[in-house]
Amino acid sequence: EAGVVQSPRYKIIEKKQPVAFWCNPISGHNTLYWYLQNLGQGPELLIRYENEEAVDDSQLPKDRFSAERLKGVDSTLKIQPAELGDSAVYLCASSLGDSIQFFGPGTRLTVL
Amino acid sequence: QKEVEQDPGPLSVPEGAIVSLNCTYSNSAFQYFMWYRQYSRKGPELLMYTYSSGNKEDGRFTAQVDKSSKYISLFIRDSQPSDSATYLCAMMGGATNKLIFGTGTLLAVQP
Repeated sequence: EAGVVQSPRYKIIEKKQPVAFWCNPISGHNTLYWYLQNLGQGPELLIRYENEEAVDDSQLPKDRFSAERLKGVDSTLKIQPAELGDSAVYLCASSLGDSIQFFGPGTRLTVL
Repeated sequence: QKEVEQDPGPLSVPEGAIVSLNCTYSNSAFQYFMWYRQYSRKGPELLMYTYSSGNKEDGRFTAQVDKSSKYISLFIRDSQPSDSATYLCAMMGGATNKLIFGTGTLLAVQP
């Protein structure tokens, strides 16, 4: 069974440029999460979806970050414009309801 | 004060040693306790999952939860070089049901 798929795995951009990350969750998982992981830190939740609905986006910096999950399956996280401090790993996870979360490999973003 | 505290290490042990990893927490509403293992440049993978207090064993791994002390532990017996990774404790419960992670402990098992 395929796990959570994320792309790209690595992205290098200059500050003020836009960037987008894509996530395909485990088949059948209705809940999808985007996390931010800084170096030497644990993942921190950015946004949680239940099907198409964003049920917790309290930690998403809405001035520059946006996310969507239009058909309740794949999701895209966007940053526009990117800042130096956005350099981090962006992790996607999925679960069946509130059960165990399975993580993808992450997208490592470097903003120059 | 962070909700979950974890010693970042690094922790270096010889092959075959018993490893003890620990986390403390402040939120008494937490009821689900997990340990994730994260290899370099990979996503976290679930290692152990415990509900409420008690012990759980899976092969060389034992997870302990002491809710009265707000303290959880992961023990690794007969540690192997392949156990070298960052170990993240995580917990959830209460109104938000959000998964809260510790900072992770970097473990190196020397052959």
